[in-house]
Parts: sequence; structure tokens; C-alpha cells
Amino acid sequence: KQEVTQIPAALSVPEGENLVLNCSFTDSAIYNLQWFRQDPGKGLTSLLLIQSSQREQTSGRLNASLDKSSGRSTLYIAASQPGDSATYLCAVPNTGNQFYFGTGTSLTVIP
Amino acid sequence: DTGVSQDPRHKITKRGQNVTFRCDPISEHNRLYWYRQTLGQGPEFLTYFQNEAQLEKSRLLSDRFSAERPKGSFSTLEIQRTEQGDSAMYLCASSYGAEAFFGQGTRLTVV
Repeated sequence: KQEVTQIPAALSVPEGENLVLNCSFTDSAIYNLQWFRQDPGKGLTSLLLIQSSQREQTSGRLNASLDKSSGRSTLYIAASQPGDSATYLCAVPNTGNQFYFGTGTSLTVIP
Repeated sequence: DTGVSQDPRHKITKRGQNVTFRCDPISEHNRLYWYRQTLGQGPEFLTYFQNEAQLEKSRLLSDRFSAERPKGSFSTLEIQRTEQGDSAMYLCASSYGAEAFFGQGTRLTVV
């Protein structure tokens, strides 16, 4: 069974700082990896999808990288803003279309 | 199309009652997923449909839980004889390709 771990569990940074969130997975035979954002009490918003053949994917101030061989992905957020405060989740699907999620990193950006 | 829609957003029910949740996926998406999320945890897979066929079910989906997707469009998740341990956020997602899109969830509280 795929296990997904996210470090750190919580992070607090001043506005404007660049930051990195980490995601690791135990089974490197993945098709893709998806990063989500979740605001308190809300559903998940898709941020980035990285296919297994890709090494990076960028959207605005977000950049996600994938290293399948080491079982790791990182989400880089540039010039953080208070509106970035949320929980960030990574998810990896198995061959049967079931997504395995980490427990998330709770980010607080302090104005 | 405004994305995946879930109804109701909140449900409070007494222990032992039955509840039903509805999910309307993005219109062209043939895949539909149900997940359950408890506080501080990542979403856990419950079940997966491709069109109207239920192809995967988690062991979390006890015999009190049933899901349907008639005609391959909207889906319902029913919980019979609710227990306090069923209190959670129930999330629905849909996809056509690799990227999954989630709804806002239904928050269930069993009292």
C-alpha cells in the first residue's frame, strides 16, 4: 500500500518569504502526483498535476517538482502572501484510480 | 459549468438515522470518487465509479454505506444507521484525465 508523508506538519512564515513543502511516497511506481490546497472547512482545490514523465510543473508563484526514483515531491511557493494560508495536500493515485493522500502541511503566512 | 457540486453542505443527524448525500460531477467527467476526511487527516478513499460502474470499494465502506451512480451522471452516498464515528467531511471528486477535481464537501455531524 502506498504511504504518503508530508513534512512539516505546520509552517508559519512572514509575508514575502519563499517556502518549500515536502511530500514523500513509498512506492515510486506512480503515474502522477497532484498538489491540492484546502481552506478550513472547505473542499480541495487542485493546484498542480505532475505526470510521472515530468520533473517540474509551474503555475504562477507555485512550482512543483517530482523525483520518482527518490519518492519525493516538493511544492515551492514564491513570495508568500497571507492569502496563501491554508493546508496543502499531496496525493498519489494507485493503478486502480484510488488517490493516497498525505496528512497535509498547514501553512500560515503572517502579514 | 462551475465544478463538482455537493449537497447538502452540512448535515446534522441523530445517531441511528439514515442520511444521503448527493454529488454532481463536472459534466464530461466519467470518473467519480467518494472520500472521507476527519479533522487533521488527509482524505481517505471510499469508492470509485467509472461511468455507472462501481469499480472499487474501500474496506472503510462498511455494509452501512452504499453508493450509486445511476446513468453515470450524479452520485449518491447513503449511510444507514449512522454512528458518531461517521462524523466527518465527505468529499466527492471527478476526473476525465489524470487530474481530479473535488467538491466543497458535505460536513456530517452525528449527535
